Amino acid sequence: SQQGEEDPQALSIQEGENATMNCSYKTSINNLQWYRQNSGRGLVHLILIRSNEREKHSGRLRVTLDTSKKSSSLLITASRAADTASYFCASGTYKYIFGTGTRLKVLA
Amino acid sequence: DAGVIQSPRHEVTEMGQEVTLRCKPISGHNSLFWYRQTMMRGLELLIYFNNNVPIDDSGMPEDRFSAKMPNASFSTLKIQPSEPRDSAVYFCASSSRRRGSSNQPQHFGDGTRLSIL
Repeated sequence: SQQGEEDPQALSIQEGENATMNCSYKTSINNLQWYRQNSGRGLVHLILIRSNEREKHSGRLRVTLDTSKKSSSLLITASRAADTASYFCASGTYKYIFGTGTRLKVLA
Repeated sequence: DAGVIQSPRHEVTEMGQEVTLRCKPISGHNSLFWYRQTMMRGLELLIYFNNNVPIDDSGMPEDRFSAKMPNASFSTLKIQPSEPRDSAVYFCASSSRRRGSSNQPQHFGDGTRLSIL
């Protein structure tokens, strides 16, 4: 069974707007990670949030975690065309299960 | 840092042929993962090695798939015989994992795009 499910599946916004993506998972976790994948490339790690953390920031990224709801959100502020990519959440213990991803398109 | 290196980047072959995908993890990383990505099924974990030992191969689809890690700097994923449904992008990832910890990000290669005709 898939650990993470992202929502929405696709998102299209204008440059400068904020983008919010959500992730739900099914079992207990040690941490949750977000990755970005540009077309034709491998996944790149963006940010990790531990199960005892509620919010974490990194540059224009803000991640929240609600373990009671088994959900997380990724907020990208002041989006840029270069943020166009697919975004995945991943969670687990010794191995990670990746969600289905959100395809973000930022229009210039 | 050269990152995770996969070869070949693209492979096109006919059904029934043997396919070997190669991966060189980041030096010093002790965990290695093979994934398969398709539009229909997303990113699936096939097998996970820790310190060159296969820990979990429950994601390997069937006996036609095999993976080895003869040393810390090299791994292969082999499909024999290949079938059209094996067409996908195969990724290798590595991380530096302490025993009992999952708190390390994974570093991915750029994948091998495999097409079985």
